[in-house]
Amino acid sequence: AQSVTQLGSHVSVSEGALVLLRCNYSSSVPPYLFWYVQYPNQGLQLLLKYTSAATLVKGINGFEAEFKKSETSFHLTKPSAHMSDAAEYFCAVSEGTSYDKVIFGPGTSLSVIP
Amino acid sequence: ETGVTQSPTHLIKTRGQQVTLRCSSQSGHNTVSWYQQALGQGPQFIFQYYREEENGRGNFPPRFSGLQFPNYSSELNVNALELDDSALYLCASSPPLADTQYFGPGTRLTVL
Repeated sequence: AQSVTQLGSHVSVSEGALVLLRCNYSSSVPPYLFWYVQYPNQGLQLLLKYTSAATLVKGINGFEAEFKKSETSFHLTKPSAHMSDAAEYFCAVSEGTSYDKVIFGPGTSLSVIP
Repeated sequence: ETGVTQSPTHLIKTRGQQVTLRCSSQSGHNTVSWYQQALGQGPQFIFQYYREEENGRGNFPPRFSGLQFPNYSSELNVNALELDDSALYLCASSPPLADTQYFGPGTRLTVL
């Protein structure tokens, strides 16, 4: 069965610094991979998704992620953190090729320090 | 805005009671999935409905059940509530042939 691990339950960065949130997955078939963001008391918003096209995926709000099959990783990055990026971030992997039955990781809480 | 709404926003029940949570999707979204998100954890897939039929289920007992209606609304029913059922319940819908699902804001259920 697929699973997702996110290294670091909490990450703090200074405003303007690089954001790096780590995600590793286990999947027996080429997966779909997703990053979602959740602001306090809100639902999930899709940041970006990998669906077997380009390995470097660009998303909303300046985020991007690179699919590395050899490392089974899909880390999320943003060159310069903004205060509004403070939120909970979830990496997710699809059940097979079903993009809408996904397994979520435990999440990483991002804090941005002024 | 995703166009997906959920009601109620918050709900408090006692152990052993039954609860119904509702989700309203965008017109044309014929797939709806429900997730349970316990505090401090990622969402867990409960089940999915496609054209009013269950189309996959996660590791949840039968007391979790659902319905999907022709008007693109759906329900999640939980019987015999347990304390561990306290969580944020999210629904997500998707249109045909899309590769994205759209989440609602969730219903916060507290079981006392």
